[in-house]
Amino acid sequence: QKEVEQNSGPLSVPEGAIASLNCTYSDRGSQSFFWYRQYSGKSPELIMFIYSNGDKEDGRFTAQLNKASQYVSLLIRDSQPSDSATYLCAVNAEYGNKLVFGAGTILRVKS
Amino acid sequence: EAGVVQSPRYKIIEKKQPVAFWCNPISGHNTLYWYRQNLGQGPELLIRYENEEAVDDSQLPKDRFSAERLKGVDSTLKIQPAELGDSAVYLCASSQEGRQGHYGYTFGSGTRLTVV
Repeated sequence: QKEVEQNSGPLSVPEGAIASLNCTYSDRGSQSFFWYRQYSGKSPELIMFIYSNGDKEDGRFTAQLNKASQYVSLLIRDSQPSDSATYLCAVNAEYGNKLVFGAGTILRVKS
Repeated sequence: EAGVVQSPRYKIIEKKQPVAFWCNPISGHNTLYWYRQNLGQGPELLIRYENEEAVDDSQLPKDRFSAERLKGVDSTLKIQPAELGDSAVYLCASSQEGRQGHYGYTFGSGTRLTVV
């Protein structure tokens, strides 16, 4: 079992819709969780991080965390074609203070 | 504020040749990371530095890879000799510790290595 798992996609949504990206992790001791966006040929850029159970909102983005289910999600409201990218979920390992990344989900927003 | 600076952006070398990558982190970030990203995969940690000390190099292939971070600022990652399977994007990142740990890494633009 991989430490951080994501559906590779591609996930296709129409412009203006809500895109829902999911991630599960195996390290029950993980305390912090991150979402990165990576455009083709570019390096990952941080979108959001979340530490506590529940929701955290930042503009059109909402991160959701459920530690009991070891599940993290990212919702993108009013999706735009410019949101088309690969979204990487990253989990801070309990020991070693390092981020472990999933393989990413490709999102395509169609206009 | 300048971000994480990496060079070169691209490198093409023949197998068995040496190659080196350079990284300058964000000023004030004491933790520096080297990751490798293969096509279609997420980044994988190679080595983590806290100041000048390598605190996690468990995934660094030490037979051919080496790294240094002199004076706790910029860092160099070297491969000697390179193999075809080393073709990947090498990403440097840095972070600053806060009350709850770090608040995420900032990545440099990466070096795309092609070994032929």
